[in-house]
Amino acid sequence: KAGVTQTPRYLIKTRGQQVTLSCSPISGHRSVSWYQQTPGQGLQFLFEYFSETQRNKGNFPGRFSGRQFSNSRSEMNVSTLELGDSALYLCASSQDRDQPQHFGDGTRLSIL
Amino acid sequence: DQQVKQNSPSLSVQEGRISILNCDYTNSMFDYFLWYKKYPAEGPTFLISISSIKDKNEDGRFTVFLNKSAKHLSLHIVPSQPGDSAVYFCAAFGGNKLVFGAGTILRVKS
Repeated sequence: KAGVTQTPRYLIKTRGQQVTLSCSPISGHRSVSWYQQTPGQGLQFLFEYFSETQRNKGNFPGRFSGRQFSNSRSEMNVSTLELGDSALYLCASSQDRDQPQHFGDGTRLSIL
Repeated sequence: DQQVKQNSPSLSVQEGRISILNCDYTNSMFDYFLWYKKYPAEGPTFLISISSIKDKNEDGRFTVFLNKSAKHLSLHIVPSQPGDSAVYFCAAFGGNKLVFGAGTILRVKS
């Protein structure tokens, strides 16, 4: 069974640009969550999608947005990038929110 | 507001001995707890979980203990192996949210 796939693995952008990250969940998983990981901060929850609807949202500014497609694939978009957005962005999928989440290997985003 | 806290940033243990990783939480609504392990350049991997109706769950070398009155859980690894060296995250689920701690770096010395 294929795992969670995130693309791209690495990305370098400059301040003010925007970026779109992609996540393909495990087949059959309908819940997709996004997290930001920075040193010392653990995994900060961004948002969760289920059946193309955002079910939950963390405490991030509106520059961070996402969507989920009918095949459960999800994208995350960050607009007007700031230096502080440099982080590892992780996507996780599960059958539903009360089931263990399976993580992809993340996208390392660096802002210059 | 850190609802899930892992107060030890790092832990060093000799191979073959027990590793004990601790986690405290503040929200009484949390009713399901998980531990994840993360190697560099990889995403976290699910290790073991426990429901609030239990106080212990065991899976091979890994045991998770839950003390609801103290709002505390711990992960025991016995015996510890060098391959266990990684970052360990505890996570708590409740109120439709999964909240992670900041992680503890475990180093197992051979």
